[in-house]
Amino acid sequence: ETGVTQTPRHLVMGMTNKKSLKCEQHLGHNAMYWYKQSAKKPLELMFVYSLEERVENNSVPSRFSPECPNSSHLFLHLHTLQPEDSALYLCASSQDSQGGNIQYFGAGTRLSVL
Amino acid sequence: LAKTTQPISMDSYEGQEVNITCSHNNIATNDYITWYQQFPSQGPRFIIQGYKTKVTNEVASLFIPADRKSSTLSLPRVSLSDTAVYYCLVGSGSARQLTFGSGTQLTVLP
Repeated sequence: ETGVTQTPRHLVMGMTNKKSLKCEQHLGHNAMYWYKQSAKKPLELMFVYSLEERVENNSVPSRFSPECPNSSHLFLHLHTLQPEDSALYLCASSQDSQGGNIQYFGAGTRLSVL
Repeated sequence: LAKTTQPISMDSYEGQEVNITCSHNNIATNDYITWYQQFPSQGPRFIIQGYKTKVTNEVASLFIPADRKSSTLSLPRVSLSDTAVYYCLVGSGSARQLTFGSGTQLTVLP
């Protein structure tokens, strides 16, 4: 148990659906992250939030919309996804968004887009 | 940005010590070196972090030479359950500077 919980663990959706991924951290951290990991590929940083403000958006398509209502919760809203968006989506948190901080990861959401 | 280079894969046998070296020639003065372990379909898990010299915890040791241009993760007496991908990260500034890269796939054989 890492202190970072992601739900759901598995999600299958059609290209016209709208769904949301949820992440909750119980570590008192101030920074939260979304990563995408496609099969046999490295983790790609998508978004970084620090103190509920988005500090990084790595050229992610607008069909992915993050939301951070407070420092403990992070959402990733999905709409009109493409099959190539099928991947493992990982949430992480750290004390702050500086690169030297240790990140704690959730177990991920395995997303399949049909 | 401090780019890292690791071997793509390594094989070992149960009970052996495994050393995985990461090169980071342009490491900055304030950068820390952090290693993570990832099992299939799970998020990476922190193993160890260091700045210079040697760091040891209950699962691994991290050796960092004086010039800090490389680091070596040492796993003592590996078991089958240590089969995973190991990532070396270097950074201190913004989190956007951190890249996990391809990591090293360690396979422990019986």
